Amino acid sequence: EPEVTQTPSHQVTQMGQEVILRCVPISNHLYFYWYRQILGQKVEFLVSFYNNEISEKSEIFDDQFSVERPDGSNFTLKIRSTKLEDSAMYFCASRDAGYGYTFGSGTRLTVV
Amino acid sequence: AQSVTQLDSQVPVFEEAPVELRCNYSSSVSVYLFWYVQYPNQGLQLLLKYLSGSTLVKGINGFEAEFNKSQTSFHLRKPSVHISDTAEYFCAVSEGRGNKLVFGAGTILRVKS
Repeated sequence: EPEVTQTPSHQVTQMGQEVILRCVPISNHLYFYWYRQILGQKVEFLVSFYNNEISEKSEIFDDQFSVERPDGSNFTLKIRSTKLEDSAMYFCASRDAGYGYTFGSGTRLTVV
Repeated sequence: AQSVTQLDSQVPVFEEAPVELRCNYSSSVSVYLFWYVQYPNQGLQLLLKYLSGSTLVKGINGFEAEFNKSQTSFHLRKPSVHISDTAEYFCAVSEGRGNKLVFGAGTILRVKS
C-alpha cells in the first residue's frame, strides 16, 4: 500500500535555529497538508497546498513557517527561528481526488 | 467553520464488550466525515470515512460508524473490543477551500482484561 514518508522521524534543534521537515507524498496525490500535534493535544491544521500554491493556512502558520514542493516529489515545511512552543509532532498528509487522506508517521520536533 | 466535538476524553471498557465513541460536528450543507486511530508513538491511520450513500459505514478492524444528519453525529462502534484496540481515536470533518481535516480532541479507548 502506498505510503507518505516523513524524514527525519525525530529532530532536536536549538531555539532560534531553522529546521526543515521533509515529506514524500503519495505519487498520484495532488493535495498536500501539514498538521501538528503538541503532546497530549489535538491534531491541528497548519497548511494545505495544491497546484504549487498554498490553498489555505491556519492562524498558527505565521511568517516563521513556509512550505515548498521543490522537485515534484518532496513537500517540505520550514520553520525559521524555532521557539520552544514549536515542539510537537508534525504530520504530513496527502489526498487523492476521492478524499482519501494518507498521513505520514510524523516528525517529532524537540526545541531546546 | 466546522468544529468537531468528541464527548468523551477517555472510555474504559472490558475486553469483548461493545463500545461506542461519540462524535458530533457542527452543521453544514454537506460533510465528509472520518475516524482515525493513533496507536502510541505512531501516526494516524484511517479507520473509515463517510462521503455519501449508506449512512452505516464499515471500516477496518471491525469498526463501523453511523452518519446521522439530523443529530449531526458520526459515532464509532465496535461490537466486541480487543486489548489491541487500546489507542486514541480521532473524529474529523473535511472542510474549507483546501478540504483540510478538522479534528476533534480525541478519545482514548482503554481496553481492560
